[in-house]
Amino acid sequence: NAGVMQNPRHLVRRRGQEARLRCSPMKGHSHVYWYRQLPEEGLKFMVYLQKENIIDESGMPKERFSAEFPKEGPSILRIQQVVRGDSAAYFCASSPLGVAFEKLFFGSGTQLSVL
Amino acid sequence: QQQVKQSPQSLIVQKGGISIINCAYENTAFDYFPWYQQFPGKGPALLIAIRPDVSEKKEGRFTISFNKSAKQFSLHIMDSQPGDSATYFCAASRRDSSYKLIFGSGTRLLVRP
Repeated sequence: NAGVMQNPRHLVRRRGQEARLRCSPMKGHSHVYWYRQLPEEGLKFMVYLQKENIIDESGMPKERFSAEFPKEGPSILRIQQVVRGDSAAYFCASSPLGVAFEKLFFGSGTQLSVL
Repeated sequence: QQQVKQSPQSLIVQKGGISIINCAYENTAFDYFPWYQQFPGKGPALLIAIRPDVSEKKEGRFTISFNKSAKQFSLHIMDSQPGDSATYFCAASRRDSSYKLIFGSGTRLLVRP
């Protein structure tokens, strides 16, 4: 049973470009969370999704950031017109439906560098 | 109200010693308190977790102590090993907030051989 898969592991973008980060949850998991980690800091919640639904996006910046979790395929975190301040590690986590859905399993993250 | 405060920021322990990391929270609605371990270049991995209806939980060398009245909880690593060297994060979440985790700022643990 593969863990949470994130790709790419490293992503380099120039200011103004778009960044697309992908996350495939663990098999059987239907909840996806995205977190951002700045250097030497803890993880900050961004968004919580279930299939085809955004449940809680209270941690998402109001502009340039969007997330989706389609019926088929991975969850996507999209950052438009990236700025240097977007440089961070972005982690995806998944949890199962039902019992024990409080247990979040994290992927290895995508390190975004904005030049 | 949503913050989780973690200390110390860094910790150095000799092999075989006890590592202790502390966290405090404000929001009494939190009902799930996990600890995560993170190695460089990796995502956080769930280590151990506790709910507020118990005061202590032990799994192997790892123990969580929970003080509901003080709104504090701590991680104890007994017989610390060099392989335990990592960054540790406490977190808190609540069922009515979809269990989104609120993380502490992390403790970088170094266990010297």
